Amino acid sequence: AQTVTQSQPEMSVQEAETVTLSCTYDTSESDYYLFWYKQPPSRQMILVIRQEAYKQQNATENRFSVNFQKAAKSFSLKISDSQLGDAAMYFCAQGKNTGNQFYFGTGTSLTVIP
Amino acid sequence: NAGVMQNPRHLVRRRGQEARLRCSPMKGHSHVYWYRQLPEEGLKFMVYLQKENIIDESGMPKERFSAEFPKEGPSILRIQQVVRGDSAAYFCASSLGPVNTEAFFGQGTRLTVV
Repeated sequence: AQTVTQSQPEMSVQEAETVTLSCTYDTSESDYYLFWYKQPPSRQMILVIRQEAYKQQNATENRFSVNFQKAAKSFSLKISDSQLGDAAMYFCAQGKNTGNQFYFGTGTSLTVIP
Repeated sequence: NAGVMQNPRHLVRRRGQEARLRCSPMKGHSHVYWYRQLPEEGLKFMVYLQKENIIDESGMPKERFSAEFPKEGPSILRIQQVVRGDSAAYFCASSLGPVNTEAFFGQGTRLTVV
């Protein structure tokens, strides 16, 4: 069974600084996808970044980047130059290679301090 | 192109009643996924449907819950004889294809059982 663990229930960062959110996962599949989703108070789930497990290169989307360590089953998210609008719940998720059935972690609540 | 539309946004039901949650996927999307989010938790996968077919229902409770995605019209998640433990936010997501395509989420339906 797939499990996704986020060990930081809450994190805070000063505006313009950098923060890293941790995520580990466990799966027996060899081909899968990893995601970070953001959930602001509106509850809308917004895709932040995705990583294909077969790719060694870490994904990057503007200020967001990941550190994907396949052997360690670790998938952390780094947010650079944090902005007030980054404040939200962040969920790490693992997806099957047969569809968009995701296994989510319990989330990390990120506060951005002005 | 409107996003994934879920209605109602809020639904209150008394114990023993039926709840029907609707999800209209993005235009052109034929793959629909339902998730449940209990308070202070991440989203839990329930069921994956592709037009008129259930592809994966491994996350669906065995009793009282059913889902359909007819040829015409929205996908429906139906909960019969609701109990207090069914109170949660229910999210729908849709995608163009089964894998390697982004899944877009709706804003969810918050079900409260009183």
